[in-house]
Amino acid sequence: DAGVIQSPRHEVTEMGQEVTLRCKPISGHNSLFWYRQTMMRGLELLIYFNNNVPIDDSGMPEDRFSAKMPNASFSTLKIQPSEPRDSAVYFCASTFTVRQPQPQHFGDGTRLSIL
Amino acid sequence: AQKITQTQPGMFVQEKEAVTLDCTYDTSDPSYGLFWYKQPSSGEMIFLIYQGSYDQQNATEGRYSLNFQKARKSANLVISASQLGDSAMYFCAMREMNSGYSTLTFGKGTMLLVSP
Repeated sequence: DAGVIQSPRHEVTEMGQEVTLRCKPISGHNSLFWYRQTMMRGLELLIYFNNNVPIDDSGMPEDRFSAKMPNASFSTLKIQPSEPRDSAVYFCASTFTVRQPQPQHFGDGTRLSIL
Repeated sequence: AQKITQTQPGMFVQEKEAVTLDCTYDTSDPSYGLFWYKQPSSGEMIFLIYQGSYDQQNATEGRYSLNFQKARKSANLVISASQLGDSAMYFCAMREMNSGYSTLTFGKGTMLLVSP
């Protein structure tokens, strides 16, 4: 079974450039999450979608960050313009939200470096 | 107040020994789920084990078991017969069912090093 697929695995770019991270959730999952992980802050939830609708974007750091989920099988996280402090590992995770707790399944992450 | 507390920044264990990684949680929600994830040096987040607040028995998955003490609000991960490949960062997480969201709250993690 295919897990959560993220691309690219690594991204190195100069500050000021636009960065787009992509995620394909597990088929059948109806909830999708974007996380950022740094040594200083640990794992932070950026935004959460349920049935393609953004439910909670309170973790999005600022207006330079935006996320979309145009359909059930694809989501993007965009940073424009990028800054060195955005360097981190970005994870996408998905789950099937039901009455019982279900584990979130993570992609392998995108390691982003902004020079 | 932190909802998930992992008090051990790092743990050392010798190969083939058992190790317990601590996790305490704070919630007033009677319905919740507790999860453990493993993050090896390669970076991926791997789901290990899950315990529901109404589950009568402690969860087990192979060499992983969860020592769930509801009254003490603790959900410690026990790894039996440690292997070198168990060296990784381990995160405890919780989902509160009545919050209306599917979000997980993560602890800061415990780094486990298994020595030969």
